[in-house]
Amino acid sequence: GAVVSQHPSRVICKSGTSVKIECRSLDFQATTMFWYRQFPKKSLMLMATSNEGSKATYEQGVEKDKFLINHASLTLSTLTVTSAHPEDSSFYICSAKRYRDTEAFFGQGTRLTVV
Amino acid sequence: AQKITQTQPGMFVQEKEAVTLDCTYDTSDQSYGLFWYKQPSSGEMIFLIYQGSYDEQNATEGRYSLNFQKARKSANLVISASQLGDSAMYFCAMRGEKYSGGSNYKLTFGKGTLLTVNP
Repeated sequence: GAVVSQHPSRVICKSGTSVKIECRSLDFQATTMFWYRQFPKKSLMLMATSNEGSKATYEQGVEKDKFLINHASLTLSTLTVTSAHPEDSSFYICSAKRYRDTEAFFGQGTRLTVV
Repeated sequence: AQKITQTQPGMFVQEKEAVTLDCTYDTSDQSYGLFWYKQPSSGEMIFLIYQGSYDEQNATEGRYSLNFQKARKSANLVISASQLGDSAMYFCAMRGEKYSGGSNYKLTFGKGTLLTVNP
């Protein structure tokens, strides 16, 4: 299967700072990447969908200015949590797919803790 | 609207036995896809199996099989010969017709079932 790498796997940041999470497709070109948020013992909530070279499409209720998504190349998408607050602490996970693929492949996830 | 329901918050199974994880779905789409993902405690989501709504045969991948009953709108995952490494959260997900490809791809996930395999 295709490999998606997410970095970092864990990050702790101070309240008010910004943190960037990277999602890379290692052995394929991902036309579309997705960012999810997962609360403890809960399901995955889609935050946004990004296509290479275009603006991300955010789900209803997700703050665009707080969660900046950039999909600069066919192998890299980044999620930047700006002015982080403790309530932003969560598990963030990305996925990527090629245009014709049926399934999307997920990264390892990033556990963000804002203190 | 699409909805996935997993009614079993937790399941226990003895090693080497088979287990069925339930998933029902609701959609008005004619064409859709159903997925199962495994999430170990480490967090990554591992794709297990896919079933298309027009597939006549139930999908199988090694020890995993999907019991697809279209009329009942159910897509249960069957794990045969359970192993200790199968202990994880299992999510059922769905992709509707409108979200079938390209940039419109979108998965709707159920709440998951925590499977524990006992030695």
